[in-house]
Amino acid sequence: GQQVMQIPQYQHVQEGEDFTTYCNSSTTLSNIQWYKQRPGGHPVFLIQLVKSGEVKKQKRLTFQFGEAKKNSSLHITATQTTDVGTYFCAGADNYGQNFVFGPGTRLSVLP
Amino acid sequence: DAGVIQSPRHEVTEMGQEVTLRCKPISGHDYLFWYRQTMMRGLELLIYFNNNVPIDDSGMPEDRFSAKMPNASFSTLKIQPSEPRDSAVYFCASNPSGSNNEQFFGPGTRLTVL
Repeated sequence: GQQVMQIPQYQHVQEGEDFTTYCNSSTTLSNIQWYKQRPGGHPVFLIQLVKSGEVKKQKRLTFQFGEAKKNSSLHITATQTTDVGTYFCAGADNYGQNFVFGPGTRLSVLP
Repeated sequence: DAGVIQSPRHEVTEMGQEVTLRCKPISGHDYLFWYRQTMMRGLELLIYFNNNVPIDDSGMPEDRFSAKMPNASFSTLKIQPSEPRDSAVYFCASNPSGSNNEQFFGPGTRLTVL
């Protein structure tokens, strides 16, 4: 079945440093979604990318969807302590089925 | 809107007992999803409903798990009998248009089976 992987599993950065997490799917995705989960909280939707090669920005966050629609990345510029949490990618196959979440990347930001 | 509501927020029970988790989706959302989150397995989709009908239950781990949605504003996830390996956080999520779009998660139920 479809598998979604993310790297790294953990990332510790100093406040002000940049951070990137990568998401890779074993199959072509119809779209990719990104969620953030604060410690002790629930996943909160950040963004959805649909088109091949699409790039979207939300303030310090930049999201990319690969040309082959099998990979994606989330880049945070100049991290802040409020960025702490686990970032998940999620997607379904080209038929809109088999929706799965990646294992997540846990980000720690040291002040 | 109050968002997705789940109860209880915490549940501690003993092995062999029946556990019922409850969820009220956002009004007007036709899709409801049940997830389980553990350190080992991450966030797993257990089952989802569309217009109160179960569409995909392939993620339900075994026959001890069952889910119902008797109406558009209420769903339950039942585990009978419960086992220690069922300990996890169970999330309910809803949206108006299916898994291919933004899902709104509830606060979760933290289940501990002793």
